[in-house]
Amino acid sequence: EDQVTQSPEALRLQEGESSSLNCSYTVSGLRGLFWYRQDPGKGPEFLFTLYSAGEEKEKERLKATLTKKESFLHITAPKPEDSATYLCAVRSNDYKLSFGAGTTVTVRA
Amino acid sequence: KAGVTQTPRYLIKTRGQQVTLSCSPISGHRSVSWYQQTPGQGLQFLFEYFSETQRNKGNFPGRFSGRQFSNSRSEMNVSTLELGDSALYLCASGGGNEQFFGPGTRLTVL
Repeated sequence: EDQVTQSPEALRLQEGESSSLNCSYTVSGLRGLFWYRQDPGKGPEFLFTLYSAGEEKEKERLKATLTKKESFLHITAPKPEDSATYLCAVRSNDYKLSFGAGTTVTVRA
Repeated sequence: KAGVTQTPRYLIKTRGQQVTLSCSPISGHRSVSWYQQTPGQGLQFLFEYFSETQRNKGNFPGRFSGRQFSNSRSEMNVSTLELGDSALYLCASGGGNEQFFGPGTRLTVL
């Protein structure tokens, strides 16, 4: 069974303090690893798709990287508006999407 | 392009009742997936429809069912509601590998 584990569960940062979120996975044939951002009471917002080890994607202060067993979401010089829960998901050969429990990031001004 | 829409946004039901939730995907998308999100269990996959056929199913009891229409709109039905069915129900629309989520329907079972 596909498994996705995210760490840490919660992260409190000072504005400008860069950090990384981890997503480790086991999957039967990776068809894609996805990062989403979710604000309270809202649906997840798509951020990135990564397909193969070594791939990197960037968007504003966020950068996602992928290895054969894990992915990292780097937040550079975060601002309070980056506060959210970040979700990682993997799609396997049977097209199922499995989500991790998420990392809740709080950025203080 | 309009995003994924879900109706209703909020719903309050009592135990034993049934409920139907609706999802309209992004125009051109043929895949619709449904998820249940609770604080304790996180996001859990219910089922996925593609061109009116159920392509995948998660580990939920038969009280949870769905269907997709020829215009790709989808409905999800939960019969004989239980207190534990209180959750945010999310619909996601896919045109390729990525999925785009709607705002969700918040279901409260009393």
